[in-house]
Parts: sequence; structure tokens; C-alpha cells
Amino acid sequence: EVQLVESGGGLVQPGRSLKLSCAASGFTFSDYNMAWVRQAPTKGLEWVASISTGGGNTYYRDSVKGRFTISRDNAKSTLYLQMDSLRSEDTATYYCARKTTTDYWGQGVMVTVSS
Amino acid sequence: DVVMTQTPPSLSVAIGQSVSISCKSSQSLVYSDGKTYLHWLLQSSGRSPKRLIYQVSNLDSGVPDRFSGTGSQKDFTLKISRVEAKDLGVYYCAQTTHFPNTFGAGTKLELK
Repeated sequence: EVQLVESGGGLVQPGRSLKLSCAASGFTFSDYNMAWVRQAPTKGLEWVASISTGGGNTYYRDSVKGRFTISRDNAKSTLYLQMDSLRSEDTATYYCARKTTTDYWGQGVMVTVSS
Repeated sequence: DVVMTQTPPSLSVAIGQSVSISCKSSQSLVYSDGKTYLHWLLQSSGRSPKRLIYQVSNLDSGVPDRFSGTGSQKDFTLKISRVEAKDLGVYYCAQTTHFPNTFGAGTKLELK
């Protein structure tokens, strides 16, 4: 059974950093590109970043480019999202998803950016 | 960015009825490989999204055939036949043909 379990969320002040993790199981992690998608409270879904199978290619939405870094550790079957210079508008539930086409999603982790 | 326009924003339905949700994109979603990367997801209350249909009309594993997807180019439709209580929630269309991936604003399916 495919499982994606996010962790690392919480309350953080504007300008500070947070690192999210997504532990994958039930499939060969290194065979799949992965993505982060977020959902602000009561809002819709917004793609944040994607990474290729080996980690050599990464893609970001404009609003997070230069502040967020997506990475992966295939030996640990884990996806990461390093979030720096956080802003109030980054407040959201962050989901990791398998493949660009998001065939499986994690349960999500809440990130609140507030002073 | 490709804009995905879903209508209606909400739908009230009785159990057993059929409903359709429309999704229109601002650009053709046909990729250079000839495939159309338009997908449908359901987010039940308090849960994470779940993909139901990929590439316009292909049902994901375990999705009942009461769900069907049709369309081409820029105009797509999700149909749910004989709605059941477990079908309630917010439906999103999503395109992964063009960078960046974008989602529709959602259609909330509620009980009448």
C-alpha cells in the first residue's frame, strides 16, 4: 500500500525557516518524481514544487522560487521541502504527492506563518 | 499560467441522482506526446485529495464506474451517476500538461 507521511509543520514567525519531510513507503521511491502541493485555509490547491527521480531537476512556482528548496533522499525514501524567508501567505496545509500527476497524496501537514 | 475554470462552484444533489461538473482550460491541454493531462480529484471533508480520473477518462484503481470523464482540448466534464453519500466533497480538475501545474477552484458537491 502506497503511503506518504508528512511531518515538520508548525507555527513559525515571518522570515524564519522550516523544513518539511515526507516519508514514503509501499513503492520504489526512486522510480517516481515527486511534488509538494499546498492549500491555504478554506482555499483551493496550489502546486508548489516538483523534483525528478534522481533529484537533478527541480521546479518551483514563481512565488517560492529562491526561498523554497525541494530535495530527496532516495536511500531513505524521503522527500523534503526546505522553506526559508517564510511569509504569511505561505500559511497552508502542505501535501506531498507522488508523480507530477499526483496519483497519491499524503495526509498533509499544517504550516502557520505568524508573529 | 493555464487557468482552469470549473462550474458550477457548488451542486446540491439527492442520493441516487446524476450530476456533471465542467472544467474549461485557457489553453489546449494536449501535450506534445499527443496525450491530454487533465485529471479529476475529490477532497472529502477534512481529508487529503484523492485522484479519481487521470488523462481525461481513465479511472484510478478502486474508483467505481459511476464516475466518468470526457472531453478534449480545452473542455472537459466529470459525470457522477447515482450519487452516493461517500461521493460528497470538493471536486477539482487539474492540468499537468503545462508548467506550472494548475488546479480549478473546485466544485462542492453537497446533499440536497
